[in-house]
Amino acid sequence: NAGVTQTPKFQVLKTGQSMTLQCAQDMNHNSMYWYRQDPGMGLRLIYYSASEGTTDKGEVPNGYNVSRLNKREFSLRLESAAPSQTSVYFCASIKDKNTEAFFGQGTRLTVV
Amino acid sequence: AQSVSQHNHHVILSEAASLELGCNYSYGGTVNLFWYVQYPGQHLQLLLKYFSGDPLVKGIKGFEAEFIKSKFSFNLRKPSVQWSDTAEYFCAVNGYTGGFKTIFGAGTRLFVKA
Repeated sequence: NAGVTQTPKFQVLKTGQSMTLQCAQDMNHNSMYWYRQDPGMGLRLIYYSASEGTTDKGEVPNGYNVSRLNKREFSLRLESAAPSQTSVYFCASIKDKNTEAFFGQGTRLTVV
Repeated sequence: AQSVSQHNHHVILSEAASLELGCNYSYGGTVNLFWYVQYPGQHLQLLLKYFSGDPLVKGIKGFEAEFIKSKFSFNLRKPSVQWSDTAEYFCAVNGYTGGFKTIFGAGTRLFVKA
């Protein structure tokens, strides 16, 4: 049972390049989330998907788009990367409101 | 707006010292409360959670937390820390306000001296 799988683990982009971070969970969870983690700022919610077919903005959505491809997969896209998007990105999933979040291993993204 | 505030950003303790990390939240409606731990180079893992019932909850590795509804607080405690508790600790709240989501505090970095 893999849990939450994120790819890639590391990525370096040039300013203006685009990329998609992939996330998949095999726990049949309903809700999926993308966070970014920056020193001293904790985890900030970028986008979330409460259920298959729905997506909503979180605290810091600017510069990102998401797709809930199916119940298992929730991708995060950077259309035109900026140095301010250098961060560690975590995907998480939750079964329902009375359960905890399960996290992927993270993607360390550097934009130069 | 929903928010979670952690009082200490950095804490340094010696082994066997007692630990208390503060957490306050602002969230309308019924909430669930969590503490997560992140060891160096790893992802977040659940330490303990509160949904309802006894406001004093016990988690893994000797940690416990107390929910005080009147103070909107959920402080984490451990009577005697170990070097292996060196990590970053995050308080989190989830609830439904126009969408179900979990909000995290800024985190507290704990360093335990051997």
